Amino acid sequence: GDSVTQMEGPVTLSEEAFLTINCTYTATGYPSLFWYVQYPGEGLQLLLKATKADDKGSNKGFEATYRKETTSFHLEKGSVQVSDSAVYFCALYSSASKIIFGSGTRLSIRP
Amino acid sequence: DTGVSQNPRHKITKRGQNVTFRCDPISEHNRLYWYRQTLGQGPEFLTYFQNEAQLEKSRLLSDRFSAERPKGSFSTLEIQRTEQGDSAMYLCASSFQGAGPSSTDTQYFGPGTRLTVL
Repeated sequence: GDSVTQMEGPVTLSEEAFLTINCTYTATGYPSLFWYVQYPGEGLQLLLKATKADDKGSNKGFEATYRKETTSFHLEKGSVQVSDSAVYFCALYSSASKIIFGSGTRLSIRP
Repeated sequence: DTGVSQNPRHKITKRGQNVTFRCDPISEHNRLYWYRQTLGQGPEFLTYFQNEAQLEKSRLLSDRFSAERPKGSFSTLEIQRTEQGDSAMYLCASSFQGAGPSSTDTQYFGPGTRLTVL
C-alpha cells in the first residue's frame, strides 16, 4: 500500500542554517504530495503542496520539488528562523481519498 | 473564523465510559475526514464522509467507534467503552471534491480533540 518515509528527528539547527528534511514515498500512480507543519500547541497546517512530477511547492521560504524518478519530496529552506521550530509531516494523497502521513520530524532552531 | 472547528479540545475520561467529539467543517466543504494521532506519530486515517454518506472506514475503527454526519454538515465521533489505548489526538479535516476548478485534494485540519483515558 501507499506509504511515506521521512527523516527521523529531532533535528536541531542554529538560526540562519540551511534545512533539508528528507521524504520518500511509495504509491500507485502519481499522487499529490504535501508538507504539513504542526507548531507547538496548534493544529496541522498545510505548508506546501505539489500535484505532479517536477512541480515545486513553496511557501514561507520553504520549498519542495516532486521528483518522480527518485520518489522523493524533500523539504528545504535556505535560512531557518527560531519561529520555524515545529513538527513537519510529509504526506501524500492516496488513491483511496485519504492522506497518508509520515511519522513527522521535530525541528528545533537555536537562536 | 471560517476554519475547521472541533469540540471539546480536551477530554479526560475513565476507562469504560463513552465519549463523543464534534467537528464542524469549513462550510462549503462536502468531504469530512477523521484521523487519529498518537504521540510521536503522524495522523492515521479513520473514516471519511462525502456529504452524509460514510464512504470508507479504516480497520483501525473498531466496532466501539461510530461516526455520523447527519445532513452532511457537522460530524460526531463516538467511542464506546473507552480503553487506555484510545488515548490520542483525534483530528478532523475537510475538503471540497467535485467537478470544476474549485475541487481539490487538499484537506484542512481542525485543532483536534485530545482524549486521555485514565
